[in-house]
Amino acid sequence: EPEVTQTPSHQVTQMGQEVILRCVPISNHLYFYWYRQILGQKVEFLVSFYNNEISEKSEIFDDQFSVERPDGSNFTLKIRSTKLEDSAMYFCASSYLAGVYNEQFFGPGTRLTVL
Amino acid sequence: ILNVEQSPQSLHVQEGDSTNFTCSFPSSNFYALHWYRWETAKSPEALFVMTLNGDEKKKGRISATLNTKEGYSYLYIKGSQPEDSATYLCASSSSGSARQLTFGSGTQLTVLP
Repeated sequence: EPEVTQTPSHQVTQMGQEVILRCVPISNHLYFYWYRQILGQKVEFLVSFYNNEISEKSEIFDDQFSVERPDGSNFTLKIRSTKLEDSAMYFCASSYLAGVYNEQFFGPGTRLTVL
Repeated sequence: ILNVEQSPQSLHVQEGDSTNFTCSFPSSNFYALHWYRWETAKSPEALFVMTLNGDEKKKGRISATLNTKEGYSYLYIKGSQPEDSATYLCASSSSGSARQLTFGSGTQLTVLP
């Protein structure tokens, strides 16, 4: 069964460093998303991406964040200068259409630890 | 801003028991309600997406109902098994931003053998 994959599963970085989290969405999906969950808090929406551009973003998704689909398969989230408060589990998701159902399929997450 | 709440926060049941938990969400501008099953270290698994008031969906021993007028959904598990142990997340979206899911905190279910 097709699935969303994410690498790495765990990333440790120093404050101020840039990190890139990688995702391979399901191959025929058109919409891509990033969510995050800070430990002990709810899963939060960051950004949605369609047709090579951001379609929606939350207040969390500031200038330190960017997304890219560099080729036909990968979807990346870049954090330019990490802060301690960026430590969280980051989930990638994809969906075929944002129609009536917009069923989003999630990857297993990347745990980011900023020291 | 949507505020999605789930109760209870955690639940322990005996194998064979049936159980249910609640998701409440703002009913104004409602678009869709999603249920996910999430086991530790795995991907959240999509269970149901519901859009219409009165909708009922079923997958094996798990079923869900939706009341969009009062803003709640119930998830039922009949004859719980240890493999049902997981966190069950609900997420809502609004008509203004259908692609943006707002999640509840989840209900952590433990089924004791």
